[in-house]
Amino acid sequence: DSGVTQTPKHLITATGQRVTLRCSPRSGDLSVYWYQQSLDQGLQFLIHYYNGEERAKGNILERFSAQQFPDLHSELNLSSLELGDSALYFCASSVEASQETQYFGPGTRLLVL
Amino acid sequence: GESVGLHLPTLSVQEGDNSIINCAYSNSASDYFIWYKQESGKGPQFIIDIRSNMDKRQGQRVTVLLNKTVKHLSLQIAATQPGDSAVYFCAEISGYSTLTFGKGTMLLVSP
Repeated sequence: DSGVTQTPKHLITATGQRVTLRCSPRSGDLSVYWYQQSLDQGLQFLIHYYNGEERAKGNILERFSAQQFPDLHSELNLSSLELGDSALYFCASSVEASQETQYFGPGTRLLVL
Repeated sequence: GESVGLHLPTLSVQEGDNSIINCAYSNSASDYFIWYKQESGKGPQFIIDIRSNMDKRQGQRVTVLLNKTVKHLSLQIAATQPGDSAVYFCAEISGYSTLTFGKGTMLLVSP
């Protein structure tokens, strides 16, 4: 158990819908990262927040957005969902902003029908 | 663009054998490398890391070797056990850039 929690574990929705994925980092960690893992793309970095502020953006679509709240938990919002958005979404956390030694949560499996 | 990749997509070994998983990276400015293990249905789990000023680092049953000359990284697992069966990812980072993951190698351990 990494100490990072994610909810929900599974999510099934329809195209065009909007969903919110939630992540709580390890106690004491200020950085939260979001990744998308699909069979053909591997682990793709989406976005990084540090202490409530966005620090880095990766291959994140404009339909996706995230935020980190004062209690350091984070939410990833996915809107206008498409079939291709079906994937595993992982959250990771680390103590600092340098992206080193990230600890991953168990992931949310999203299926868009 | 810069990328991190793996030579072998699947490695099958017998229980008790030593396993070697390889990774090539292309960014010569990368200064920190991590190996992650991902079991089915779980998130990636940190195994071991190494900085570019080192060429070898040992953990419990695992050793990471870094050859900066040929930009190659390897993970050695001693006395491989069935519980080591998983997908192994190497990842690299340069300075304050984002962590970049390779596509992974599946390790299958037969009893």
